[in-house]
Amino acid sequence: QKEVEQNSGPLSVPEGAIASLNCTYSDRVSQSFFWYRQYSGKSPELIMSIYSNGDKEDGRFTAQLNKASQYVSLLIRDSQPSDSATYLCAVKELTGGGNKLTFGTGTQLKVEL
Amino acid sequence: GAVVSQHPSRVICKSGTSVKIECRSLDFQATTMFWYRQFPKQSLMLMATSNEGSKATYEQGVEKDKFLINHASLTLSTLTVTSAHPEDSSFYICSAREAGTDTQYFGPGTRLTVL
Repeated sequence: QKEVEQNSGPLSVPEGAIASLNCTYSDRVSQSFFWYRQYSGKSPELIMSIYSNGDKEDGRFTAQLNKASQYVSLLIRDSQPSDSATYLCAVKELTGGGNKLTFGTGTQLKVEL
Repeated sequence: GAVVSQHPSRVICKSGTSVKIECRSLDFQATTMFWYRQFPKQSLMLMATSNEGSKATYEQGVEKDKFLINHASLTLSTLTVTSAHPEDSSFYICSAREAGTDTQYFGPGTRLTVL
């Protein structure tokens, strides 16, 4: 059973702070990792993808991947109230998955004024 | 960027009727499309994987005769909920994978309410 684990939260951070969201996965051979943001009542939207160990930055977002420890994280700098949403971590199965993604249950982020 | 549309965005129907939901990739070819269902305050649940020109692969516990999927072209997949019942009320979301990539782009979702 391939699993993707996230803390459900809510994670509360003050406006302007750094929000750190973490995700662990069980399938050691996973190769592709994604972060999606989902506002209440809406569908997920892609924030970032990461494939190699290390950091990948895009604006205020930084994804970090550590395959040896099997975790991927998302940092949001200068958090804004509009960042309040549920953040989904997704991992692509390498074999036998037919390109499907396994999603975590999501972490709810609340950015407070 | 990659855009995926879904139609309708919201549908209310009587128990026993069938409902068809369309998913289109607007600016890219999608060799694979996925159908998810999401109940309130729960995570996404993959229902089936749809490859263009072939039969869909359903996840365990999903009735293929109740949720009919057709993927007739590289830009269009449809999900038909047959003989819908109130327990089928949910948020149905499709996603499309661009050929040659791993990334899935989601449609805006269809909220189905069965009375």
